[in-house]
Amino acid sequence: KAGVTQTPRYLIKTRGQQVTLSCSPISGHRSVSWYQQTPGQGLQFLFEYFSETQRNKGNFPGRFSGRQFSNSRSEMNVSTLELGDSALYLCASSLIGGASANYGYTFGSGTRLTVV
Amino acid sequence: AQSVTQLDSQVPVFEEAPVELRCNYSSSVSVYLFWYVQYPNQGLQLLLKYLSGSTLVKGINGFEAEFNKSQTSFHLRKPSVHISDTAEYFCAVSDLNYGQNFVFGPGTRLSVLP
Repeated sequence: KAGVTQTPRYLIKTRGQQVTLSCSPISGHRSVSWYQQTPGQGLQFLFEYFSETQRNKGNFPGRFSGRQFSNSRSEMNVSTLELGDSALYLCASSLIGGASANYGYTFGSGTRLTVV
Repeated sequence: AQSVTQLDSQVPVFEEAPVELRCNYSSSVSVYLFWYVQYPNQGLQLLLKYLSGSTLVKGINGFEAEFNKSQTSFHLRKPSVHISDTAEYFCAVSDLNYGQNFVFGPGTRLSVLP
């Protein structure tokens, strides 16, 4: 079956702009989580969506937001981009997510965002 | 809050030699533990996980890890590495008491030399 699909793979934006990233989970998976990966901070949890509702949120400013559609596809948006937002953004899907991690997470290949 | 420590940021090792990548986490309460691998320009792939039961967990590609509750460690081992094992390895913990998603360690870059 198809894996987790993230689009686009690469993106270059200018400081101050906004950006939307997309994630299509594995068919049947209802939980989508987003992570930011940078060389300095490593992998940091952004938020998790389950059944179109944000279930958990990490410690990021309000410029970072997301949503999930009825088909479980998720988007994340970053407004007023800053140079420090340059990172690899990873999406992970699972059947139900949260603490029931025994179902396992499957990660996408990520979107590499560069802010100039 | 949980934290995960990977003491070695880089580990060079010759091909066919054994390797151990170290991981320690901050709390001994109920946790799930994971090791993920990331190849260049790719996402994370699950190597193995500890949920409960036997403390020795076997994963894919010949890797195994041992859960040690008293030392709050979950070290990853492979008896004989290949060039293709060159990648970044991340230890992660999911804390059942907080229902939160993973907390990842900073990663260990494994370089297998010919």
